Amino acid sequence: DADVTQTPRNRITKTGKRIMLECSQTKGHDRMYWYRQDPGLGLRLIYYSFDVKDINKGEISDGYSVSRQAQAKFSLSLESAIPNQTALYFCATSDLLDRGGSNEQFFGPGTRLTVL
Amino acid sequence: QQQVKQSPQSLIVQKGGISIINCAYENTAFDYFPWYQQFPGKGPALLIAIRPDVSEKKEGRFTISFNKSAKQFSLHIMDSQPGDSATYFCAASMDQAGTALIFGKGTTLSVSS
Repeated sequence: DADVTQTPRNRITKTGKRIMLECSQTKGHDRMYWYRQDPGLGLRLIYYSFDVKDINKGEISDGYSVSRQAQAKFSLSLESAIPNQTALYFCATSDLLDRGGSNEQFFGPGTRLTVL
Repeated sequence: QQQVKQSPQSLIVQKGGISIINCAYENTAFDYFPWYQQFPGKGPALLIAIRPDVSEKKEGRFTISFNKSAKQFSLHIMDSQPGDSATYFCAASMDQAGTALIFGKGTTLSVSS
């Protein structure tokens, strides 16, 4: 979905390096999310944010941190990357007012991260 | 612990057949149950969702059946088409805004022509 963009799309890094994944959205949504996807494990919520001042931990926040720089931008950081953080990372957004009535989350195209 | 259990892991269906994917949950506080569809190289996209006050919801060829007493819900794809080949995830949330979704592990569906 071009309304939710993620950079980089692919990244290879080494153990111990700090890395930041960025997400931007033009949908005007208040809520933003970071998930990781591992083969056979589905998607797991890392962090979510209701607005710039409201950030919440998800299922698997250990080893990760986030920053909500603006309504449209939500970054995920790995302070010291480790190999088991190798995964596909997705950013998503949803509308606080839920105008569509579906509570739909809109996902970006994903960032494939490999930690060697 | 796995809060939403999804089965089967993979499914092969002939064109025109019915695809059925099942999910079960333990937490009775869940009150929003969406299904997401993911094509290779893409992010998941909402397919259909249901709340526990109804037992069935239909949108085109896709139907969710919900059994509150059994704590189970399922996705039925009628007249399955090759274009339906994708990975399907069930999910559940405890807040009515569907914020913190707990996903199942996914089912890879292949529809043969």
